[in-house]
Formats: sequence, structure tokens, C-alpha cells
Amino acid sequence: DGGITQSPKYLFRKEGQNVTLSCEQNLNHDAMYWYRQDPGQGLRLIYYSQIVNDFQKGDIAEGYSVSREKKESFPLTVTSAQKNPTAFYLCASAGTAKTYGYTFGSGTRLTVV
Amino acid sequence: AQTVTQSQPEMSVQEAETVTLSCTYDTSESDYYLFWYKQPPSRQMILVIRQEAYKQQNATENRFSVNFQKAAKSFSLKISDSQLGDAAMYFCAYRRAGGTSYGKLTFGQGTILTVHP
Repeated sequence: DGGITQSPKYLFRKEGQNVTLSCEQNLNHDAMYWYRQDPGQGLRLIYYSQIVNDFQKGDIAEGYSVSREKKESFPLTVTSAQKNPTAFYLCASAGTAKTYGYTFGSGTRLTVV
Repeated sequence: AQTVTQSQPEMSVQEAETVTLSCTYDTSESDYYLFWYKQPPSRQMILVIRQEAYKQQNATENRFSVNFQKAAKSFSLKISDSQLGDAAMYFCAYRRAGGTSYGKLTFGQGTILTVHP
């Protein structure tokens, strides 16, 4: 079945450490997105990519980095510059049919220890 | 910039009754799409219903329907015959129809729906 796979489900980061969240899709979607979810703040866009080898900053890109070397993959790195990284991270993808919303992954819960 | 506002942080409903969740948005665009997503305790985001701004007819999906008021920039979700499985966080979302960032979804803050047996 087609879908989006995020891994790991839970991730723990030490202070000053970079960590990478994986997002893989087999839906042949062109666009992929990373959102951060905090309690009471809904989902906020970190980065998005509409084509391979190209990506744009979202509303809260500081302290994060991404790459899009393959259509299927859009990993997110949370760097040590991100001062408050504890949150739930959702990856999503979208095809060219604009009337449709996203397909979401199941998320990664990142905690700083 | 587009904004989406859900003014009800929490709502509750009795099983089998009807509840309406509110959403307003701000945009200067004339063509766009609106969505309601459901996030149950598993945290998997599920698309509930979508509306195209150029269609005057309100979207309906089984027990879920919307009241789309374009001039008022309002997009409420009505859940009829509420079931225990409807308990979740509900997000309203907006998406532009064109432009270089057409794919971006802007979300509201969410409404937690509790269903009482």
C-alpha cells in the first residue's frame, strides 16, 4: 500500500546534539512538507519542497535543515541551534491535484533529555 | 499572509447529537481550498472533508458537512449523529489554489472534541 513512513516514532536528543528525522513516501508525490505541532498552537510549517533538489523555508525554519535528493525522501535535521526542539513532528506529501489535502505520516515525538 | 482561526479550544457533545465546530480565515485570494482534518489520540491526521472556494454548494461526507460562507470567510464543520469515535482534535486548514507556494496548508489552532456516552 502507498503511504508515508516516518521514523523513528520516538527520539531523544541530548543538549547540543543534531538529530535527523526520516520521512519516506511511495505515493509518487512531488511535494513534501514538515510541520511541528505544539500544544495549543496547531501545526506550523518548518520547510517544504515542491521538487527534487529544491526546498523553501516555512514559518519556523530557524534551527532546522532539510534535503531533497530523491523524490521519495525528505529528511529533517534538528540542529543544536534549535533551542526548544521538544515537539511532535509531522511529515506530509501532496500530489498535483490541488483539490486534495495532504497525506500525513504518523509522526515523530522528539524530546530533549 | 493567510491566517486560520478556530475560536473554540474545546467542545463537547452527547453521543447521537449534533455539534458544530467553527473556523474563520483571512485571505485576499479568490480561489482556494479549505479542509477539516481529524487527529485522534493516535495522532494520525485524517482528512474529513474539503471545500473548493469557487463551489457554492457546501461539501458533505456522510455525517460530516460544512457551512461555507465565502463573504464572511467562515467554514464551520457540522457533525451529525455524533459517535464515540468522533472524539479527536479537529483542525481547519487553508490552501491557496495557485502561486509558487500553492501547496502550503495553513492550519488553525485546533478544537478538542469530547463525545459523552
